[in-house]
Amino acid sequence: AAGVIQSPRHLIKEKRETATLKCYPIPRHDTVYWYQQGPGQDPQFLISFYEKMQSDKGSIPDRFSAQQFSDYHSELNMSSLELGDSALYFCASSPGRGPQTGSGANVLTFGAGSRLTVL
Amino acid sequence: AQTVTQSQPEMSVQEAETVTLSCTYDTSESDYYLFWYKQPPSRQMILVIRQEAYKQQNATENRFSVNFQKAAKSFSLKISDSQLGDAAMYFCAYRSPPLRANSKLTFGKGITLSVRP
Repeated sequence: AAGVIQSPRHLIKEKRETATLKCYPIPRHDTVYWYQQGPGQDPQFLISFYEKMQSDKGSIPDRFSAQQFSDYHSELNMSSLELGDSALYFCASSPGRGPQTGSGANVLTFGAGSRLTVL
Repeated sequence: AQTVTQSQPEMSVQEAETVTLSCTYDTSESDYYLFWYKQPPSRQMILVIRQEAYKQQNATENRFSVNFQKAAKSFSLKISDSQLGDAAMYFCAYRSPPLRANSKLTFGKGITLSVRP
């Protein structure tokens, strides 16, 4: 079965540089979520999109922005990178709203993550 | 806002034995979903089991089962016949119904499970 695809898997940047992470959701999933996970920490919600519109916003820095495109893939743009931005960034997708059935109902499926290292 | 609490940072279990991981949550909603996710050293987030709050029957998935106590807002995970591959960090997570805009997953702090051979 198709999974959530994230790219790149690893990224090394210098302070004050810019990085872009991409996420390709499972086909027919119209909702995308971004999470940030620091070492030894739980994933922190950044932002989500439903049908290409921002649906919820969490602890996302103003230096970060994101969008969902017409093909439902999403990109997370991070500017003026800081050392503290070094983390694993997860994208997850889920089916749209409304009643759901089957094994994937109401479940967020995660990609393998993009590991960002800021030097 | 909903909160998820995992008060045990680490646990250890002997291979083939049973272990229970605890989780409590706080919410004012009556309809919601609860999940356990496993994160092995590869750091992939893998769904272990899910529970719909409107279902009284506890969910089971092979060696994994939950004890869902809605009134007590408790959601523990039992792993039977523990295997070396079960060693991982386990996150308890809460989700509002997808009909709501804020239907993100809220995670607990996680618990690191080690399995002794």
